Amino acid sequence: ETGVTQSPTHLIKTRGQQVTLRCSSQSGHNTVSWYQQALGQGPQFIFQYYREEENGRGNFPPRFSGLQFPNYSSELNVNALELDDSALYLCASSSGGGSGVKTQYFGPGTRLLVL
Amino acid sequence: GQSLEQPSEVTAVEGAIVQINCTYQTSGFYGLSWYQQHDGGAPTFLSYNALDGLEETGRFSSFLSRSDSYGYLLLQELQMKDSASYFCAAEGAGNMLTFGGGTRLMVKP
Repeated sequence: ETGVTQSPTHLIKTRGQQVTLRCSSQSGHNTVSWYQQALGQGPQFIFQYYREEENGRGNFPPRFSGLQFPNYSSELNVNALELDDSALYLCASSSGGGSGVKTQYFGPGTRLLVL
Repeated sequence: GQSLEQPSEVTAVEGAIVQINCTYQTSGFYGLSWYQQHDGGAPTFLSYNALDGLEETGRFSSFLSRSDSYGYLLLQELQMKDSASYFCAAEGAGNMLTFGGGTRLMVKP
């Protein structure tokens, strides 16, 4: 069974640029959630994708957007990067769509630094 | 919205028992999860409570009281490898999992 993978592991961008982060869900999981984790804080929910549709969203502006593909992998796109976007971005997969929130399997994360 | 409160830091010795408390305020609540995160690592799922009471998984147990909006994680027979951050997370409406700020557990010899 393949776990959750994310790419890239580290990324450095400058303010105003755009970034795309990628996530492959664990085998058999059809739901992907994205989180932002600032240093020393808990993960904050960005949004969830199920069956290629956004299935829930946290308090993040529209410049945070995503996609889910037929193989359940997902992308997180962030436009017009700001310094405060510097964080660890975590992807988590689960099964069952709306009822699958309780047990999520996290990837290793992408550490984004915005200069 | 939802907010969760947990202590920022707890210290205990090897072999001891430690309890990490979590209180929550929610506009919709389905259950409480606990995750462990080692420095530089990803959060890993420990346990989930949807109903009141105690859930036991090996050395770890988790408790929930919906009427008190309160839960805790109990770690027994502490080992050095248990040094990590522990997060409670509330499952709420909109398929949202809201995490607390985390409790950093330091286990000393």
